[in-house]
Amino acid sequence: NAGVTQTPKFRVLKTGQSMTLLCAQDMNHEYMYWYRQDPGMGLRLIHYSVGEGTTAKGEVPDGYNVSRLKKQNFLLGLESAAPSQTSVYFCASSPTGASTEAFFGQGTRLTVV
Amino acid sequence: SQQGEEDPQALSIQEGENATMNCSYKTSINNLQWYRQNSGRGLVHLILIRSNEREKHSGRLRVTLDTSKKSSSLLITASRAADTASYFCATVTGNTPLVFGKGTRLSVIA
Repeated sequence: NAGVTQTPKFRVLKTGQSMTLLCAQDMNHEYMYWYRQDPGMGLRLIHYSVGEGTTAKGEVPDGYNVSRLKKQNFLLGLESAAPSQTSVYFCASSPTGASTEAFFGQGTRLTVV
Repeated sequence: SQQGEEDPQALSIQEGENATMNCSYKTSINNLQWYRQNSGRGLVHLILIRSNEREKHSGRLRVTLDTSKKSSSLLITASRAADTASYFCATVTGNTPLVFGKGTRLSVIA
């Protein structure tokens, strides 16, 4: 039972490049989330999904897109990377919503140069 | 915008001492959760306390919630070096996802 798996773990991008971060969970959870963590800022919600085929914006959605085509996967896309998107990205999932605990992946450290 | 605000930002104690971290929040909540993050790792859920609860225990952890003051505290008793980590509170309001504070960095010195 792997839990929440993020791919890749590290990535360096040049400004303007695009990439997709993959999050996969094997716990049959309905809800999935993407957060970014910056020094001194805690975790901020980028986008989230309450079920297959649904997505919603979080606190800091600009510059990111997401898709939830399959229940177990939640993809985060950067269309044109900017240095301000240098961060550690965490994916999380929860069974039935915010009133239950969330399970986190190990993070993706992204550097945009 | 961030809901929870942890205090202190950093805490350093000796092994065996108790560690207390506080969290204040701004609006009414359904529940409040505490998470731990070891350096460079993902967050791990510690405990969830609902708005109608005042205190919960889990092993060496004790969490209190005062909804009138919009605050919560996390007490770790008999701290160990392995407790060294960052601790975050996260609040839940309605159906919105978890909103995290900025965390408290705890260092337990052996």
